Amino acid sequence: LAKTTQPISMDSYEGQEVNITCSHNNIATNDYITWYQQFPSQGPRFIIQGYKTKVTNEVASLFIPADRKSSTLSLPRVSLSDTAVYYCLVVMNDMRFGAGTRLTVKP
Amino acid sequence: DTAVSQTPKYLVTQMGNDKSIKCEQNLGHDTMYWYKQDSKKFLKIMFSYNNKELIINETVPNRFSPKSPDKAHLNLHINSLELGDSAVYFCASSQGPAVGGKLFFGSGTQLSVL
Repeated sequence: LAKTTQPISMDSYEGQEVNITCSHNNIATNDYITWYQQFPSQGPRFIIQGYKTKVTNEVASLFIPADRKSSTLSLPRVSLSDTAVYYCLVVMNDMRFGAGTRLTVKP
Repeated sequence: DTAVSQTPKYLVTQMGNDKSIKCEQNLGHDTMYWYKQDSKKFLKIMFSYNNKELIINETVPNRFSPKSPDKAHLNLHINSLELGDSAVYFCASSQGPAVGGKLFFGSGTQLSVL
């Protein structure tokens, strides 16, 4: 089963680009990489999902190298409201979350 | 309309009591889940049902019993509550059991066992 490793916490300032990397060394061929955002007192919210290379949506970009052993969530120009915990999930049939990265955006 | 709704939002009870948490989704999804989030924010999957059939059953005490009367509902019943059961419980759903992890979560039930 793919296990994920992320930094426990990160700090940033408003307007900066934030990159959060997740390691998943034993990712399986049919696993997807999914990122979630969780605010206090709320359930996690789907941000982005990818299988390889690069995926971009209105919220974030997801970069996945060719070996797929890691992935990087990129949040452009963060604001205070992006302060949250970000989870990387590697799954096809296993829905186990890692510990997440607590991002704090400062003014 | 809330996609995944769970009730109650807060549940405070005494040790030894039996309590239930209800979950309903109106997304037409086939698969539903229960997760437990402890004070350190680790999200752990407890159960998963696909079309009312249990497909994931993690190492959870048998005091916890999920029940799925239909594919839109997945309730969690907990017997003989213990202090260590205090946590936030999240219900989630997905279109199927193997859709790459796109889950829709409810807003959580904060359970406090005194």
